[in-house]
Amino acid sequence: EAQVTQNPRYLITVTGKKLTVTCSQNMNHEYMSWYRQDPGLGLRQIYYSMNVEVTDKGDVPEGYKVSRKEKRNFPLILESPSPNQTSLYFCASSSQYRYGYTFGSGTRLTVV
Amino acid sequence: KNEVEQSPQNLTAQEGEFITINCSYSVGISALHWLQQHPGGGIVSLFMLSSGKKKHGRLIATINIQEKHSSLHITASHPRDSAVYICAGLNSGGSNYKLTFGKGTLLTVNP
Repeated sequence: EAQVTQNPRYLITVTGKKLTVTCSQNMNHEYMSWYRQDPGLGLRQIYYSMNVEVTDKGDVPEGYKVSRKEKRNFPLILESPSPNQTSLYFCASSSQYRYGYTFGSGTRLTVV
Repeated sequence: KNEVEQSPQNLTAQEGEFITINCSYSVGISALHWLQQHPGGGIVSLFMLSSGKKKHGRLIATINIQEKHSSLHITASHPRDSAVYICAGLNSGGSNYKLTFGKGTLLTVNP
């Protein structure tokens, strides 16, 4: 089944403890992206990647890192999480930027 | 700054009604996505439009490039259409392929 898999689905962590949210797609898509969703603010793009080793900042990249060493994986790294990074995170992929996106199921992150 | 504005924020309808959700966007946006987010949180991509009109089942999406406006229509609405509908503009130009999202429209269809 074609899908984008995010892990974990839920995560509670403490301020400053490094964490990684994984994202993997099995559709050989070139384009992958990370978003966060907050009440009243909607979805906002964090980082995106056009292909392997090609990444760029979205609208809210501060406090996040990404890497794209393989086509299928696009992990989101929080080196030192803070409470303002408490949010619902989505990963998505697309065959090319012009076509529809496939979204992961989301990761609900709470930083205390 | 590229912007996407959606209206209405909330919409309540009776089963069977025709529904329209609107999206206006700024210069620099080359294509429009319509997304559906179910109460459980999952997001599904419905349409991507850069011109004209697309139809899938009871859903129709249109875009007017000159007016920088897109609409999502749902015909013969059903309670299972209850969800948040989000439009997102694709900013293109050089390597700047970013999405800017509207705040979403919460649709409730009552039986």
